[in-house]
Amino acid sequence: DAGITQSPRHKVTETGTPVTLRCHQTENHRYMYWYRQDPGHGLRLIHYSYGVKDTDKGEVSDGYSVSRSKTEDFLLTLESATSSQTSVYFCAISARGDNEQFFGPGTRLTVL
Amino acid sequence: DQQVKQNSPSLSVQEGRISILNCDYTNSMFDYFLWYKKYPAEGPTFLISISSIKDKNEDGRFTVFLNKSAKHLSLHIVPSQPGDSAVYFCAAYSSASKIIFGSGTRLSIRP
Repeated sequence: DAGITQSPRHKVTETGTPVTLRCHQTENHRYMYWYRQDPGHGLRLIHYSYGVKDTDKGEVSDGYSVSRSKTEDFLLTLESATSSQTSVYFCAISARGDNEQFFGPGTRLTVL
Repeated sequence: DQQVKQNSPSLSVQEGRISILNCDYTNSMFDYFLWYKKYPAEGPTFLISISSIKDKNEDGRFTVFLNKSAKHLSLHIVPSQPGDSAVYFCAAYSSASKIIFGSGTRLSIRP
């Protein structure tokens, strides 16, 4: 299995609070991604990174920001969480960006 | 507008028979296509992929077929086994859109 972990694995928070999810990899892969999974929508790309300090928006980036200060860590921040951001969040990594991705175990976030 | 569609939310197949999962796409610029498998409470795992310049790719019990004129791909699993029960996601890649996933098909293998 690819060395990729996510923390926390579960979180319950209140509307309006900031939340940061962490993705950590030990594979030294260049590309990292954040997705959310919702019923009926599959996985949707939030943001991705193609290197340290190099990030770009995905399909559903509104309300989210990311940072990548080290190769191994990719942080996803919800500046002010809303109930519509209740979801399961997956981090993924890939070596080339145009090949298969390896996914972390996911973080279940509930915003009350 | 969904660029990658899996129109069957669920599929039930008897153990030992063939499972066929379908996927349609709208963007002819996709470079290649992938299938992922997902068990509950786990992240998706890569299963098999196919380049847009090919029409078939096989790996053990899994075969993916690509019909570019119909913008359709399918995943065949033969023979189906109980451990194949999972949600299967079709995905398509292009340099412009990165990877776009379908909504998934839940496959159940019954004894």
